[in-house]
Amino acid sequence: EAGVAQSPRYKIIEKRQSVAFWCNPISGHATLYWYQQILGQGPKLLIQFQNNGVVDDSQLPKDRFSAERLKGVDSTLKIQPAKLEDSAVYLCASSIEVSPYYGYTFGSGTRLTVV
Amino acid sequence: AQTVTQSQPEMSVQEAETVTLSCTYDTSENNYYLFWYKQPPSRQMILVIRQEAYKQQNATENRFSVNFQKAAKSFSLKISDSQLGDTAMYFCALGQGAQKLVFGQGTRLTINP
Repeated sequence: EAGVAQSPRYKIIEKRQSVAFWCNPISGHATLYWYQQILGQGPKLLIQFQNNGVVDDSQLPKDRFSAERLKGVDSTLKIQPAKLEDSAVYLCASSIEVSPYYGYTFGSGTRLTVV
Repeated sequence: AQTVTQSQPEMSVQEAETVTLSCTYDTSENNYYLFWYKQPPSRQMILVIRQEAYKQQNATENRFSVNFQKAAKSFSLKISDSQLGDTAMYFCALGQGAQKLVFGQGTRLTINP
C-alpha cells in the first residue's frame, strides 16, 4: 500500500511570498488532515476534510492560509503572504474514516523556512 | 477542551534498558482513544500503540506497552529492551468521536549504544 505522499520536501521563501504544498493521501481514505508542527512542539491541526468537504478549520489562519481538496482526493495548502512564524513542518495525514480509532497515516511533511 | 501534556522534554537510556515515557491528558468525554506516535528524523509520524478508553486491559505491541490509568488520566508508554532504532520523538495523542487528534509536546528519546 502506497503511503501518504507530500511535496515538496523542503521549501525556503522570503516573508510576504506565497507557497503551496501538495498532498496525495492513501487511496480510499476519505479523511485528510493538515497539521502544522513548529520546531519543538507537537503537531497542531490546521484543517480536516471529509471527502471534499471541510469538517474543522477552526485553527486555520484564514487571512493567509487556504486549503482545498478537489474531487475528494489530492489536497493543496497555500500560504499567502507568508510570515516568519509560519516556519514549521507541514504534515498531511489521512485516515479511512473520520473516527480517530483507526489512527492516522502521515506523510513525511514539508519543512518550510520563511526568511 | 482536550489537552495532552508530556512533562519529559528529553530522555536518554542505554541500549537494552527499559524506559517509560509519561503522558497526562484532560477530557470531559468518557469514550476516547489514546495513542503513542513515534517521529524519527525522517519526520514521518508512525503509530506505535493505541488504547481504547473503555478497555481496562493495557495495550501491548511487542516491546511496547502502556499503563493506562483512566481515573488519573494518565497514559504512559513503556519500551522494553530498547534498541538504537527506538531513538526518535514520541508524541502522546488523544482522539474522540469525529474530532481531530490532539498531540502533546513530545519527548525526545535517545538510545545510547
